[in-house]
Amino acid sequence: NAGVTQTPKFQVLKTGQSMTLQCAQDMNHNSMYWYRQDPGMGLRLIYYSASEGTTDKGEVPNGYNVSRLNKREFSLRLESAAPSQTSVYFCATRPSGVSYGYTFGSGTRLTVV
Amino acid sequence: GNSVTQMEGPVTLSEEAFLTINCTYTATGYPSLFWYVQYPGEGLQLLLKATKADDKGSNKGFEATYRKETTSFHLEKGSVQVSDSAVYFCALFSGAGSYQLTFGKGTKLSVIP
Repeated sequence: NAGVTQTPKFQVLKTGQSMTLQCAQDMNHNSMYWYRQDPGMGLRLIYYSASEGTTDKGEVPNGYNVSRLNKREFSLRLESAAPSQTSVYFCATRPSGVSYGYTFGSGTRLTVV
Repeated sequence: GNSVTQMEGPVTLSEEAFLTINCTYTATGYPSLFWYVQYPGEGLQLLLKATKADDKGSNKGFEATYRKETTSFHLEKGSVQVSDSAVYFCALFSGAGSYQLTFGKGTKLSVIP
């Protein structure tokens, strides 16, 4: 019972390189989310997908793209990494309904040099 | 719009001290309220929740009561342990056409022996 799996756990990129962060859930949840966490800034929503086939921008979408490949998988792509994208990235899912919170993955720590 | 305000940290307590972390909110409709905990180097885990007024959520000795009249959801624990050292996040989900949780900025708790 894995829950939410993020890969990789750590990554170092050079400025201008691209990469994709992967997220997969086995909880059969409709909604999936990508957040970044920076010191003193709390959690900031990058993109979310309310259901398979839909994606929407969050608070800080610039420099990122997402793909909701199927109900299980939601990937985050950095096309041209910048040092400002150094952060810890969390994927989360939640089922439909007002009473439910998120289940988070364990995070990807990304450093852009 | 929705918002969550938490007391600013960091908070440092001695082992066995009483803990209160204040959380107040602004929301449309009748939100569900959550406390999440993040241990060092890990993702966020759901600690407890309450889905309607006067509900009390509890887990691992932590408690929080949903107070609609004061729009508050304060986290309390009677006797903290060193292992409770973590960052605590208050959050709400209001439904009302929203698909995302609204988080406070987090409060860092350090418990010293």
